[in-house]
Amino acid sequence: DGGITQSPKYLFRKEGQNVTLSCEQNLNHDAMYWYRQDPGQGLRLIYYSQIVNDFQKGDIAEGYSVSREKKESFPLTVTSAQKNPTAFYLCASTRYPAERTEAFFGQGTRLTVV
Amino acid sequence: DQQVKQNSPSLSVQEGRISILNCDYTNSMFDYFLWYKKYPAEGPTFLISISSIKDKNEDGRFTVFLNKSAKHLSLHIVPSQPGDSAVYFCAAYNNNDMRFGAGTRLTVKP
Repeated sequence: DGGITQSPKYLFRKEGQNVTLSCEQNLNHDAMYWYRQDPGQGLRLIYYSQIVNDFQKGDIAEGYSVSREKKESFPLTVTSAQKNPTAFYLCASTRYPAERTEAFFGQGTRLTVV
Repeated sequence: DQQVKQNSPSLSVQEGRISILNCDYTNSMFDYFLWYKKYPAEGPTFLISISSIKDKNEDGRFTVFLNKSAKHLSLHIVPSQPGDSAVYFCAAYNNNDMRFGAGTRLTVKP
């Protein structure tokens, strides 16, 4: 079955450490996204990528970095520069060019800074 | 800059009645709108969508209405069921830039 997989489901990080969240999809989708959800808040866009080797900043890109070396993979690195990294992170993908279809989401990664 | 807004954080309705969830947007470049349903600790799942060239789209119990001049869309659920209790997000597309509202928590009481 095609889908989008995020790993790990739970992640603990010490302050000052970088950590990378994995997102893999086998849907042959061109566009991929990273969102952050905080308690009681909606989904805020961190980064998105329309094609391989290209990505754009979203609303809250500071303290995060991404890469898109393969169509299937869009890892997100939470750097030590991110002041409040504890949150629920969601990865999504859609077909491109903008065929106007729904996004498929992974199950999310809950990151906790300890 | 919140380009997609859901001003009601929560909504409670009785089973069998209509649920109406509202969403406003500020960016006139958005041309496709979607509603997602989300349970805790899971990714959102797609519910229904509407193109900016339409003003209504219906799928079973779910209907989305779009008022472009008011930059407003709404999701109607009729009849509401307890299983509909979840957080509902509206989303909007501009090319491949997809933005979400803050969500509305719907509670359907038996």
